[in-house]
Amino acid sequence: NAGVTQTPKFQVLKTGQSMTLQCAQDMNHNSMYWYRQDPGMGLRLIYYSASEGTTDKGEVPNGYNVSRLNKREFSLRLESAAPSQTSVYFCASSENVRGVTTNEKLFFGSGTQLSVL
Amino acid sequence: TQLLEQSPQFLSIQEGENLTVYCNSSSVFSSLQWYRQEPGEGPVLLVTVVTGGEVKKLKRLTFQFGDARKDSSLHITAAQPGDTGLYLCAGISSNTGKLIFGQGTTLQVKP
Repeated sequence: NAGVTQTPKFQVLKTGQSMTLQCAQDMNHNSMYWYRQDPGMGLRLIYYSASEGTTDKGEVPNGYNVSRLNKREFSLRLESAAPSQTSVYFCASSENVRGVTTNEKLFFGSGTQLSVL
Repeated sequence: TQLLEQSPQFLSIQEGENLTVYCNSSSVFSSLQWYRQEPGEGPVLLVTVVTGGEVKKLKRLTFQFGDARKDSSLHITAAQPGDTGLYLCAGISSNTGKLIFGQGTTLQVKP
């Protein structure tokens, strides 16, 4: 059972470089999410996609773009990386949009540790 | 800004001890979840509580949702080294429908 798969696992960038974080889920979920996790800050939502073809901003979207390529895949792009984007990034998926049901369950990938020098 | 405050932030105990982690807010949540995250992995859902005053048990873990649905607690009985990890609470706001995460409690259980 693969669940949510993220690549790469680790990445080091120089300031100004660009990169795309890939995420795929095999659970036929409608909704997908990108979070960043920083010490003492918990998980903060960057962008989400309620369903294929739609994307919406979360709490901290500045400096990021996303693409819901199809129902399975949701990518996160950093166009011009900055040191403030050093973080651990998690992709997650759920059957329905959070809030629609109080029993919403998120399934997380294992994360991408990104360092921007 | 709605916040979920977890306490304590760090906890280091000996195997066999009991502990309680708290998750508090001034806002009402329609449901509250607890996740556990191990190093190098993503969070994994442990439980969801929905009704005010609800208590759920998962082996040695007991989860409670406050009567007013503004707070929750996680109690672990006879902690084991395998309980080591980051514990996150997350609530769905009754007002906005958004899922909000607490900052987490790092638990270390020493053998």
